[in-house]
Amino acid sequence: NAGVTQTPKFRILKIGQSMTLQCTQDMNHNYMYWYRQDPGMGLKLIYYSVGAGITDKGEVPNGYNVSRSTTEDFPLRLELAAPSQTSVYFCASINLAGSGELFFGEGSRLTVL
Amino acid sequence: GQNIDQPTEMTATEGAIVQINCTYQTSGFNGLFWYQQHAGEAPTFLSYNVLDGLEEKGRFSSFLSRSKGYSYLLLKELQMKDSASYLCAPSGTALIFGKGTTLSVSS
Repeated sequence: NAGVTQTPKFRILKIGQSMTLQCTQDMNHNYMYWYRQDPGMGLKLIYYSVGAGITDKGEVPNGYNVSRSTTEDFPLRLELAAPSQTSVYFCASINLAGSGELFFGEGSRLTVL
Repeated sequence: GQNIDQPTEMTATEGAIVQINCTYQTSGFNGLFWYQQHAGEAPTFLSYNVLDGLEEKGRFSSFLSRSKGYSYLLLKELQMKDSASYLCAPSGTALIFGKGTTLSVSS
């Protein structure tokens, strides 16, 4: 099993550009999350999903959109990138009825110039 | 909403014992996670407490009191490699993490 896979690992964007961060998990987890982490700071929840077709806002959703058309995939879209979105983004998934471990992807480092 | 409080920084020496506290207020509580994160890396799982009491895993133990909204992570026989951030997260549908405690272990 690959676990949680995020792409790309690194990306530089210009202000106003758009992009999608991809996240895929092969563990059949219903719950998936997107976090951002600014330098020296904690994880902030952007969006989450409790199953295919269901998404909800987290702590810092402005400037982002998500979709969950399948159990496996949970892409995060940035529209009109801004320098404030420079951060490391982590995708995670969990089976809350199982062992309780939240599995993280390796992270995607995004810089907006 | 959720309110999670952890100390920002802690320091300790090799071989010592350190306790990192986490207090929380949340709705829909299922359990509490502890994660370790080294700089530049993804968080790694340490523990998940569902029931009250102490759970021990090698040098690391985690305690939960649901009635008090309180948990702690106990690290024994500290090593230099334990220098990292430690994150607590009460588990509801929206998994929100505390700001993390940066632990520095010196020789």
